[in-house]
Amino acid sequence: DAGVIQSPRHEVTEMGQEVTLRCKPISGHNSLFWYRQTMMRGLELLIYFNNNVPIDDSGMPEDRFSAKMPNASFSTLKIQPSEPRDSAVYFCASTLEGPLQYFGPGTRLTVL
Amino acid sequence: AQSVAQPEDQVNVAEGNPLTVKCTYSVSGNPYLFWYVQYPNRGLQFLLKYITGDNLVKGSYGFEAEFNKSQTSFHLKKPSALVSDSALYFCAVRDEGGATNKLIFGTGTLLAVQP
Repeated sequence: DAGVIQSPRHEVTEMGQEVTLRCKPISGHNSLFWYRQTMMRGLELLIYFNNNVPIDDSGMPEDRFSAKMPNASFSTLKIQPSEPRDSAVYFCASTLEGPLQYFGPGTRLTVL
Repeated sequence: AQSVAQPEDQVNVAEGNPLTVKCTYSVSGNPYLFWYVQYPNRGLQFLLKYITGDNLVKGSYGFEAEFNKSQTSFHLKKPSALVSDSALYFCAVRDEGGATNKLIFGTGTLLAVQP
């Protein structure tokens, strides 16, 4: 079975540009999470969807970040405009029932 | 509020020796506890979980964890470490709030196994 799919795997962009990260959860899973990982701050939960509805976005750093889940099989995390401090690895995870989360391989974002 | 702590940033162990990665938790109800492993340049992978039942939980790659309610601990163990076990290990506890699918992760412990 395919796991959580994220694209792109690597993204290098310049400050001020818009960045869109994509995630396809495991088929049938009804909850989706976006995390950010940095050396300084560790693993941070950014936003959490349940049945395509945002439940908890308290971890979204600021208005430059937005996330959508238009359907059960696709989600995006957008940063506009991007800044060097946004450089991190962004993970998507999904779960069916209960808290056991399955993580994607991550997108390594570098903002120059 | 619930929380999980991993007191060691790094654990060093020689190949073949037993290893322990420590985790303590704080919850008001019954804990749902997890261990994940992250290999370099990879996502987190589920290792094992405790929800109820036997206090000794067996997981992937020969790992096990012991749930100790009196000490509020859930230490990860392996009888004989391999160099390939070198990775970042995360302990997590289920959020007891309304979002029951949410996990609260520890800060991670880097395990380094020397040949």
